[in-house]
Amino acid sequence: DIVMTQAPLSVSVTPGESASISCRSSKSLLHSNGITYVYWYLQKPGKSPQLLIYRMSNLASGVPDRFSGSGSETDFTLKISRVEAEDVGIYYCGQLLENPYTFGAGTKLELK
Amino acid sequence: QVTLKESGPGILQPSQTLSLTCTFSGFSLSTYGMGVGWIRQPSGKGLEWLANIWWDDDKYYNPSLKNRLTISKDTSNNQAFLKITNVDTADTATYYCARERGFDYWGQGVMVTVSS
Repeated sequence: DIVMTQAPLSVSVTPGESASISCRSSKSLLHSNGITYVYWYLQKPGKSPQLLIYRMSNLASGVPDRFSGSGSETDFTLKISRVEAEDVGIYYCGQLLENPYTFGAGTKLELK
Repeated sequence: QVTLKESGPGILQPSQTLSLTCTFSGFSLSTYGMGVGWIRQPSGKGLEWLANIWWDDDKYYNPSLKNRLTISKDTSNNQAFLKITNVDTADTATYYCARERGFDYWGQGVMVTVSS
């Protein structure tokens, strides 16, 4: 199975500042079709996960452009600029390249 | 507008079979490239993908539970189903279904407790 390793496990951010979350996969997520199959989700307290970024760097519908995704074949970053109160929750990276799909353990974002 | 909603028994006993239903709207599982997946989350823990079913009835299972899982669909009624046999307390979790376009839409989840 592909292991997804996130860092840090938690981050405390002052509103208005930026935050970055890292995710590393144990295997390249770059498909031969040129697409990198890493996804980012946010699970707000008491809610279902919601898609933020798909295929490494594409912003999902309705997601503020304060969120951005980048990376290489195995190292990925989610950046949140100008953190707001509504961004609090647990962020998960996931790989949808191969069976079984796997997710990172999550990064909890809190406000200072 | 895409929506999904899970339903299930709530509580069941060890060794029983868990049957879950995902009722969705706003898309069709007969559309080329469309899929629905099941993901679960024990309380306070992370996400575990269980299975996917696709428009062409292709099915994929997590090998760690493969022998216990069966996924199916009813395209006419916009539903997908998941059965897990021989449940144990370790299967206690919130179960989500999601549209497999990168899991871009999720249901609200259904809590399932396995307890004697």
